[in-house]
Amino acid sequence: GENVEQHPSTLSVQEGDSAVIKCTYSDSASNYFPWYKQELGKGPQLIIDIRSNVGEKKDQRIAVTLNKTAKHFSLHITETQPEDSAVYFCAARSGGGADGLTFGKGTHLIIQP
Amino acid sequence: SAVISQKPSRDICQRGTSLTIQCQVDSQVTMMFWYRQQPGQSLTLIATANQGSEATYESGFVIDKFPISRPNLTFSTLTVSNMSPEDSSIYLCSVDRGAIYGYTFGSGTRLTVV
Repeated sequence: GENVEQHPSTLSVQEGDSAVIKCTYSDSASNYFPWYKQELGKGPQLIIDIRSNVGEKKDQRIAVTLNKTAKHFSLHITETQPEDSAVYFCAARSGGGADGLTFGKGTHLIIQP
Repeated sequence: SAVISQKPSRDICQRGTSLTIQCQVDSQVTMMFWYRQQPGQSLTLIATANQGSEATYESGFVIDKFPISRPNLTFSTLTVSNMSPEDSSIYLCSVDRGAIYGYTFGSGTRLTVV
């Protein structure tokens, strides 16, 4: 089955700087790669996703890049703000809509004021 | 975006008892997914629920422990049976809402077994 590795496990950046979180996946058939933000006591919130026919996607301060050849994808957050502090999870889905997601272990992002 | 409602939001249960968690979606979906998030951990897929057929369970999860119902295209339940403290987790349901809204989650059910 699919295996997703996520790095780093903890990331501390100064407010205003950029943050990058990286994930690799094992199944070349995976075609959907979402990123989630989870704040304490809440469910995961989808912040951006990318499908395998696209190399990059942006939404304001957040971007995701996908390298299918290398089987890795990354989350980029620019101009970080204190409210960006949370745990971020990457995930991958093999096959079609009938398949669930395989998650990375998460990155605790800390924005230092 | 999609609204996914879960009930209860949290519960404290005695070991040996069972708890049924409900998941309601505001529009029809083919597949509904159930996940577990153990304390401080990532999310793990328990099973996929398709209306009109038995749920498909992932390795390590069995129907006797986690029976699932899917009576229609907007609703599903997950039961955690014969609970032990190791079942203390957040249980989440999820649906794939397609290219616009993506794969979204409910707010979860926080279960503590004592």
